[in-house]
Amino acid sequence: QVQLQESGPGLVKPSETLSLTCTVSGGSISPFYWNWIRQPPGKRLEWIGFTSYTGDTYYNPSLKSRVTISVDTNKNQFSLNLNSVTAADTAVYYCARWTEVYWAFEFWGQGILVTVSS
Amino acid sequence: EIVLTQSPGTLSLSPGERATLSCRASQSVSSTHLTWYQQKPGQAPRLLIYGASSRATGIPDRFSGSGSGTDFTLTISRLEPEDFAVYYCQHYNHSPLIFGGGTRVEIK
Repeated sequence: QVQLQESGPGLVKPSETLSLTCTVSGGSISPFYWNWIRQPPGKRLEWIGFTSYTGDTYYNPSLKSRVTISVDTNKNQFSLNLNSVTAADTAVYYCARWTEVYWAFEFWGQGILVTVSS
Repeated sequence: EIVLTQSPGTLSLSPGERATLSCRASQSVSSTHLTWYQQKPGQAPRLLIYGASSRATGIPDRFSGSGSGTDFTLTISRLEPEDFAVYYCQHYNHSPLIFGGGTRVEIK
């Protein structure tokens, strides 16, 4: 069974960079699309973007200027960098695998709460 | 940009009752690209229905999806205690991938 696990700091200062890593186990990074999704407290889910196993990326236009997603196939990991964070970036961040057969997020990490505060 | 509006915001029902959840798109979308997820407190969302009407692996047949165009429905035929949760619809065809605001199904 494929499992995903987010890791990274739970507290980030305003104007700094939020960095998270998702480790994939029980399956290969290829040939799937690997996503980051976030959920601010009490709000709806927001898709951040994805990387393919080859490193092709696509981002939500609303976040594009601040986001970088990268993949490391050797480590079976992919990462999220979100720069210039503000309190509005406080959220639970999920990593998830997009499966084209379903055209849906088939596997999700448990999520990690990241708070932006000084 | 397409917007997904879910209604009602909260549905208060008793175990054994039927739940009908709505997801309306601001413009016509392909049913192939319409998905439903279930989220319980403190947990990640779980894939329920893909392609508007196909159940994901392991999903009980009391869950069903239907609809086309702008109107989609998730039906839970008889609510079990473990079904009380928040349900989200999601669409992706043209950027960006979007989620609806969710419907909370709570115990009456």
